[in-house]
Amino acid sequence: GQQLNQSPQSMFIQEGEDVSMNCTSSSIFNTWLWYKQDPGEGPVLLIALYKAGELTSNGRLTAQFGITRKDSFLNISASIPSDVGIYFCAGQRGGGGNKLTFGTGTQLKVEL
Amino acid sequence: EAQVTQNPRYLITVTGKKLTVTCSQNMNHEYMSWYRQDPGLGLRQIYYSMNVEVTDKGDVPEGYKVSRKEKRNFPLILESPSPNQTSLYFCASSVNRGLGYGYTFGSGTRLTVV
Repeated sequence: GQQLNQSPQSMFIQEGEDVSMNCTSSSIFNTWLWYKQDPGEGPVLLIALYKAGELTSNGRLTAQFGITRKDSFLNISASIPSDVGIYFCAGQRGGGGNKLTFGTGTQLKVEL
Repeated sequence: EAQVTQNPRYLITVTGKKLTVTCSQNMNHEYMSWYRQDPGLGLRQIYYSMNVEVTDKGDVPEGYKVSRKEKRNFPLILESPSPNQTSLYFCASSVNRGLGYGYTFGSGTRLTVV
């Protein structure tokens, strides 16, 4: 099955810095979602994007649905220690159930 | 509280010994799914179910079975576990009304097969 490529794989940043990560696919998705996984827990939905070009914010998080529908981006502004975790993108096409195809994940570590 | 409950959280077993990981949701969701998470590979879908008695294979179904006899429960069965099934497993559920409805995940089951 297809997987989505996320970059970077991991990043170590200073508290207060802005963070950017992206997700690319070889095929089109109709919905893009971003999840965060805290250590020892399941992923939790952060943001959902529904149409190409859409830019959506949730607090310090901003995500964009790429124009080509083959990519998505997530930005975190002014990172804080609780931003630590693994961030996953996920694409959804519809039809055949609600299947989400997940990315490989970006591990974020914040240095105090 | 709306949630997906998986049990057990941790399991160590031996090759070939049948095991079942349970999953239950209290949100009346139609759609349920199992994923495995491996380093560098993200989450990969094992099986999914769109409603009671309706199940289908995901991307990595080999070595797994599921059943959906009741709407709230979706157990994952490993008839003869092997070491390559050592992984972190997640159950998830969702409404089945089309795009954009994200999943609610359980807290995960870390399985080690020796």
